[in-house]
Amino acid sequence: SSELTQPPSVSVSPGQTASITCSGDKLGDKYASWYQQKPGQSPVLVVYHDTKRPSGISERFSGSSSGNTATLTISVTQALDEADYYCQSWDSTTSYVFGTGTKVTVL
Amino acid sequence: EVQLVESGGLVVQPGESLRLSCVASGFIFDDYAMHWVRQVPGKGLEWVSLISWDGGSTYYTDSVKGRFTISRANSKNSLSLQMNSLRAEDTALYYCARANSGLAAFDFWGQGTMVIVSS
Repeated sequence: SSELTQPPSVSVSPGQTASITCSGDKLGDKYASWYQQKPGQSPVLVVYHDTKRPSGISERFSGSSSGNTATLTISVTQALDEADYYCQSWDSTTSYVFGTGTKVTVL
Repeated sequence: EVQLVESGGLVVQPGESLRLSCVASGFIFDDYAMHWVRQVPGKGLEWVSLISWDGGSTYYTDSVKGRFTISRANSKNSLSLQMNSLRAEDTALYYCARANSGLAAFDFWGQGTMVIVSS
């Protein structure tokens, strides 16, 4: 199965923008989704279909995709955004694959 | 409000069997495909299995094929995972998750139920 690579950690100052990348073979041919997971909690979908935001998710979360890299951007980062973030892709051949995860720290 | 409540997690020995359950509420259960996803504490997420809205199609990650069986009872808003021939590497927190309408994402998750396989 294909792998999705994320940076292990990203640090950001409050109010600044955090960007998390997700790279994988032929990722551009698939839809990418992003999940936020806070300690002791279940994952929450924050972006799907590369760029769409579920109802109730802050507009500060946005997604993009170019080539074999998907990116989650958190604008005006707040302390409550500290969490692990996972990308995920799907296609009919590789099925569902999650990224390696990125810990976002708001300094 | 969408709710998914898992149960059935236990400490079992290698080779034993276990059945996990997930009860759904707050949405029309048989309108959605459903997944099981697992996570070793402190580690990443791993997709385990998917079942179509009517139970007619099922899919598994390679490591559980032939050992795990996903099923659903739409009349009871219930999802199950029968786990046989359990191995130490199956130890994880198992989440029930709803498939979004395009099947590409997991739009709601339960709180998880812990399975520990240890002698």
